Amino acid sequence: SQTIHQWPATLVQPVGSPLSLECTVEGTSNPNLYWYRQAAGRGLQLLFYSVGIGQISSEVPQNLSASRPQDRQFILSSKKLLLSDSGFYLCASRDPFSGYGYTFGSGTRLTVV
Amino acid sequence: GIQVEQSPPDLILQEGANSTLRCNFSDSVNNLQWFHQNPWGQLINLFYIPSGTKQNGRLSATTVATERYSLLYISSSQTTDSGVYFCAAINNAGNMLTFGGGTRLMVKP
Repeated sequence: SQTIHQWPATLVQPVGSPLSLECTVEGTSNPNLYWYRQAAGRGLQLLFYSVGIGQISSEVPQNLSASRPQDRQFILSSKKLLLSDSGFYLCASRDPFSGYGYTFGSGTRLTVV
Repeated sequence: GIQVEQSPPDLILQEGANSTLRCNFSDSVNNLQWFHQNPWGQLINLFYIPSGTKQNGRLSATTVATERYSLLYISSSQTTDSGVYFCAAINNAGNMLTFGGGTRLMVKP
């Protein structure tokens, strides 16, 4: 089964500072990878997904970007954080050939001050 | 894209009670999952159930794909069942999991 590692668990950053959140996956190869954001305790919004190395699709325009430098590594970044970037960020993985569902990491709670 | 709606939005139960959570979706699905989000924010996969019925201890789920709904049953609820329950689905033409708004459950001792 898949295991997803996310870090850090919590992060407090000032407005205008850069951001880098990392997600790594174990137990699968060539997974589809996803970044979701949850604001105000409910409602997960898909931010980015990737079906392979270097392939990134964005679902909503925003101050964030994503990269996939390795098969099982997915990074969420920002050059300058905004207050509205605060939220709970979750990385997810899916093996597209297994017929199984999504597995989520434990999340990063970001507060921009 | 697919629309996913959950009801009720909030639910308060006395410990030991049973409950049913509902998820309606707007299109045919090839993936439907139920998740429990604990107070620390972690999303725990409960069921992968695009169709049929599954049971895991006190929890069970049924998806009737032809009628576009899924139900999550919680029997003999415990305080540790508290949290938010999400239903999420992918339609046959899509690749991304779309979440419902969640049901916030509080089980009182």
